Amino acid sequence: DGVMTQSPLSLTVTLGQPASISCRSSQSLVYSDGNTYLAWFQQRPGQSPRRLIHKISNRDSGVPDRFSGSGSGTDFTLKISRVEAEDVGIYYCMQGTHWPYSFGQGTKLEIK
Amino acid sequence: EVQLVESGGGLVQPGGSLRLSCAASGFTLNRYWMSWVRQVPGKGLEWVANIGRNGGDQYYVDSVEGRFTISRDNAKNTLFLQMNSLRAEDTALYYCARDSGDRCVDYWGQGALVVVSS
Repeated sequence: DGVMTQSPLSLTVTLGQPASISCRSSQSLVYSDGNTYLAWFQQRPGQSPRRLIHKISNRDSGVPDRFSGSGSGTDFTLKISRVEAEDVGIYYCMQGTHWPYSFGQGTKLEIK
Repeated sequence: EVQLVESGGGLVQPGGSLRLSCAASGFTLNRYWMSWVRQVPGKGLEWVANIGRNGGDQYYVDSVEGRFTISRDNAKNTLFLQMNSLRAEDTALYYCARDSGDRCVDYWGQGALVVVSS
């Protein structure tokens, strides 16, 4: 199984400052078709998860361009260039390369 | 607009059964794989099961294999999760989600709460 480990688990950031979340997989996320199925989700308080990024760096429609994803193999990063108040919530990485698909533990983002 | 609306959650005793439904609208259900993902309140996310477009392919996480059955009725635009032999550790908010076609999900429902307790 793909065990996903996020760090940090909690992050407090000043408005307008950048934020970065790391996600590491216990095994390579490169699939047999050459793609890497690593996604990032945001879960605001009291809401269902919302996908932000898929296949490492592809931003979903309507996602602000201050969100970006990068990485390869087993190490991935979600960056927020300038944190805004609406970014408060929990961020999860998720792998879809190995069954069962799995999520990281989540990183709670708060505003200072 | 894509909408997924779960129903059927509730309180059930250990060893009991429950059937969740997910009504899909705003897209053609038979074109998509579908999934159930659960979340213990205040905790993280766990994939439960996937089902192929015509229902022939089904995959389960080990912890529910043999107890849960995912199914679908494309004519009625509905996804199901039959849960048998329920355990306390199955207590969670169960989300229905649409597969985006790239081994991921893009749309989620609001969730159905299942509480297993005596």
